[in-house]
Amino acid sequence: DTAVSQTPKYLVTQMGNDKSIKCEQNLGHDTMYWYKQDSKKFLKIMFSYNNKELIINETVPNRFSPKSPDKAHLNLHINSLELGDSAVYFCASSLLGDYGYTFGSGTRLTVV
Amino acid sequence: GENVEQHPSTLSVQEGDSAVIKCTYSDSASNYFPWYKQELGKRPQLIIDIRSNVGEKKDQRIAVTLNKTAKHFSLHITETQPEDSAVYFCAASQKTSGSRLTFGEGTQLTVNP
Repeated sequence: DTAVSQTPKYLVTQMGNDKSIKCEQNLGHDTMYWYKQDSKKFLKIMFSYNNKELIINETVPNRFSPKSPDKAHLNLHINSLELGDSAVYFCASSLLGDYGYTFGSGTRLTVV
Repeated sequence: GENVEQHPSTLSVQEGDSAVIKCTYSDSASNYFPWYKQELGKRPQLIIDIRSNVGEKKDQRIAVTLNKTAKHFSLHITETQPEDSAVYFCAASQKTSGSRLTFGEGTQLTVNP
């Protein structure tokens, strides 16, 4: 009955590889997000989708490509991974408007 | 865009004392201000929020105050306990930004028994 679930929880991969992270929410929310948390704990928005439509697209390398097949799912595909991509990636969801987010448990990505 | 500054970056208190974390924001159109608690290795969790039509909100030992004129808001934790130790984030958002939450840089709170 997890509200926002992300897989995998841990991901260790070599530079140059391509990887995907999946996110699903069962809260009936219409908006989903990807945030990156670096080693200094700073939470920075990457993308947001509302009802499968991209509404926020921050300055992120185009190696990162989000995809939302429906409003309950938001995936993140990363091509040609680099050392600097190592971070914790959080998926979150909310209702559009001034509402708090529910975060997933995070995916710790380590690029070696 | 919105810019949120948070102070202090680290805060150490004795059990039972109060803790105060302060944030300022830059965009006067922001109207929603949540606070998140993130324990080590866990996800950020919403602990309290306040909207721009309210000056203060309280929930048991935690309270948040908002001063729209000065564009700052604060988190107050009373009677702190060791389990309050965590990183706390403030955030701000506005409807016109697509529900984008801009986060402060976080405060590591340590409550010493």
